[in-house]
Order: sequence, then C-alpha cells, then structure tokens
Amino acid sequence: GQNIDQPTEMTATEGAIVQINCTYQTSGFNGLFWYQQHAGEAPTFLSYNVLDGLEEKGRFSSFLSRSKGYSYLLLKELQMKDSASYLCAVRDRAGNMLTFGGGTRLMVKP
Amino acid sequence: NAGVMQNPRHLVRRRGQEARLRCSPMKGHSHVYWYRQLPEEGLKFMVYLQKENIIDESGMPKERFSAEFPKEGPSILRIQQVVRGDSAAYFCASSPPTSGRGGELFFGEGSRLTVL
Repeated sequence: GQNIDQPTEMTATEGAIVQINCTYQTSGFNGLFWYQQHAGEAPTFLSYNVLDGLEEKGRFSSFLSRSKGYSYLLLKELQMKDSASYLCAVRDRAGNMLTFGGGTRLMVKP
Repeated sequence: NAGVMQNPRHLVRRRGQEARLRCSPMKGHSHVYWYRQLPEEGLKFMVYLQKENIIDESGMPKERFSAEFPKEGPSILRIQQVVRGDSAAYFCASSPPTSGRGGELFFGEGSRLTVL
C-alpha cells in the first residue's frame, strides 16, 4: 500500500520562497509527481522525479531522496497566483496509477 | 489538441437516482483513471481502465459503482442509487502507454456531483 503525508496548509509572502514537504511509504516506487490545483479546477502537472536529486523548472524545483522516502517542492519568487493546492503523488512499481497525498493549500499574502 | 473532456461538468441528482459521468481521453491516450475528490481533500483513486479492460478497481466501492471504457466511445463512471455521501468532484485522467517510463496523468476539469 501507499502512505503519503504532506502539510495541510502553508502561508507565505509574495516574493518569498516556500518549501512544501512530502514523505511517503510505499510497497513499490516508480516515480514521484507534483501537481498544482487551483480551487475548482483540474490538477495540472508540475514536476516528476524518479532519481535522487533536484529537478529545476523555472521558479519551481522538486527534490527527491528515495532512501528517505522524501520529496519537496520549492517555489521561488512567489506570486499571488501561486495560491493553490499542491499535490504530491507516487506511482507504484506495478503500473501507471498515481496515489495522491491530501494536498497542501498554499496561501500567498501580499 | 483537445485535452481530457469530461461531461457533465455539474450534475444534480436526488437520492436513489443514477449518475453517469463521461470521460473522453486525450488523443492517443489509451489509459483512463477515475479519481474522487471531496471538498478540501486530496484525490482518491477509484479505477484504472484500458480499452475494454479494467486494470485496477481497488479504489471502487464494491456496491453501486461501476466503470467501463468500451472499444468505441468515452469511459463512463456509473453510480447507482446515489446517496448524499456520493457528492464530490469526480476527475478523469488519461495517459499514453508509458512502458514503465515517466508519464504524467492529464486531468479533465472534473464532474461535480451534488446529491440532494
């Protein structure tokens, strides 16, 4: 089975940096994904990690440590539009299905 | 290049009625997934289908819920005799065959079911 934990809520200031952590315990592992979801909208893909290390994509970066079962999403130069839920998801070794954590609601304040 | 299309976007049903939610995957995608999301919560996996096959239905309630992905036409999630607890957003996602490589899921806009 899969167990994925992430903080429920976070608040940060416009222009700042925020790190959203995700820990997981899985029976198998075949990649970790981060999605962004604005209220009432579809989740959209942000990043994918399957090997240890940091993946950078513009203002967003994602880090993975497989030995620790740990990932984080780093958001730089926060903008008001970054206020959303951020979902951590793990794919098991068997197939394509993703298991999602409960999501972290990020509020960016002026 | 149309994305994942879901309809209806909003559906209201009375207790005991049936709800049918449809999902057309992205062009070239043969894998379809259904997820349920309650307000302020994460996505809960329900079922994973390929054309004419249910691959994994471990997240589907044993009663009242069924899903199909026929050879022709959209995938359908069917909920019989709905109850208030079925009120949620139902998201469909699709992916191409990945052969074990990274391949993200592409989500539709969701169907929001309200049971009165």
